[in-house]
Amino acid sequence: QSALTQPPSASGSPGQSVTISCTGTSSDVGDYNSVSWYQQHPGKAPKLMIYEVSKRPSGVPDRFSGSKSGNTASLTVSGLQAEDEADYYCSSYAGNIHLSFGTGTRVTVL
Amino acid sequence: QVQLQQSGPGLVKPSQTLSLTCAISGDSVSSNSAGWNWIRQSPSRGLEWLGRTYYSSKWYNDYAESVKSRITINPDTSKNQFSLQLNSVTPEDTAVYYCARGWLQTGFAYWGQGTLVTVSS
Repeated sequence: QSALTQPPSASGSPGQSVTISCTGTSSDVGDYNSVSWYQQHPGKAPKLMIYEVSKRPSGVPDRFSGSKSGNTASLTVSGLQAEDEADYYCSSYAGNIHLSFGTGTRVTVL
Repeated sequence: QVQLQQSGPGLVKPSQTLSLTCAISGDSVSSNSAGWNWIRQSPSRGLEWLGRTYYSSKWYNDYAESVKSRITINPDTSKNQFSLQLNSVTPEDTAVYYCARGWLQTGFAYWGQGTLVTVSS
């Protein structure tokens, strides 16, 4: 399982937007619309924020949005709030019962 | 509301077997629409999907290549839970282990609370 590449950190002021990238290959992100994004606060389990590239589970604010272009997926958090400060991970199905996770991005609200 | 409650020891000796259980409420382990997964997280390996069990007319199991020779995931319909066994553990298996409901393609919407398992003598 090769990890998907994410920037180690990202930051923004309250009310601003931050975008996190998730770079894979033509065998995972580029080949499947099966990218998910998770938010993880310290000591807690990951929480699903986006699935199938851009779909939001019930209860997830519409400030969270996802997209994909080629081998790179992105998560945008608009209108940053203090509670958005967390680690974010992407994942992508890669075929043949194979799942890759991203390296993780720590989002800081300044 | 689906809830997953994990149980099991937090310390396992090298070469022994790691065993964890995930009790399900609000759903059934025999549901045709749910996959039941184990995922672990460590500083060195990040998040790693380990395997799953699910029911679709019969029981299926799938495992990650990295642990395929050492892992067993079993459903227990009488207790509405599923379990993880990982054999021949080494310190590299030290991680927080999570159970989760979902599919590889559509993500994991429900997670257990996590169990830190340390492999040490």
